[in-house]
Amino acid sequence: EVQLVESGGGLVQPGGSLRLSCAASGFTFSSYEMNWVRQAPGKGLEWVSYISSSGSTIYYADSVKGRFTISRDNAKNSLYLQMNSLRAEDTAVYYCARDPGGSYSAFDIWGQGTMVTVSS
Amino acid sequence: DIQMTQSPSSLSASVGDRVTITCRASQSISSYLNWYQQKPGKAPKLLIYAASSLQSGVPSRFSGSGSGTDFTLTISSLQPEDFATYYCQQSYSSYTFGQGTKLEIK
Repeated sequence: EVQLVESGGGLVQPGGSLRLSCAASGFTFSSYEMNWVRQAPGKGLEWVSYISSSGSTIYYADSVKGRFTISRDNAKNSLYLQMNSLRAEDTAVYYCARDPGGSYSAFDIWGQGTMVTVSS
Repeated sequence: DIQMTQSPSSLSASVGDRVTITCRASQSISSYLNWYQQKPGKAPKLLIYAASSLQSGVPSRFSGSGSGTDFTLTISSLQPEDFATYYCQQSYSSYTFGQGTKLEIK
């Protein structure tokens, strides 16, 4: 079964750090581009970050640039999001999502999400 | 940055109805437009990619159309399991989602 499973969420104080993980199974992880998308409570979807299949190309949303770092370990079939200098507005469910790439980009497989709460 | 605007923000309809949701981009995005369905407490699900291509496993009552700046998602005959929130997403330049359209039972 094709599956993505996020972990690492939790409660953190403002200014703190957290590292999210996304474990992939059921497909050749190293062949796919990957993304992080977040959803604040009761709000819509916000794209956070992108990483190419090799890890050589990375993009960030302006809202997280300089604070978040996306990475992947293809040998471990895992995607990561290192989040530093966390703010209250980073509170959200964080999803990892697969992108087959090609001519038209779309997120065809999503994890179940992991909740991050930034609060004192 | 490309902005995506969906209309309406919410919609009440009945089982069997034909429903159309609109998404407008702030600049031309060709056919780089995707549609997702999200149910409460669940991850989004890809329905339509490249404006009009049906994702594998998605019922044929869902269809998408448009190019440039104006796009539509149509559900030809609403089923009980279709009541959810729908999002458009552009993938022309980085990624941006619309604000969502909540489809509720009338």
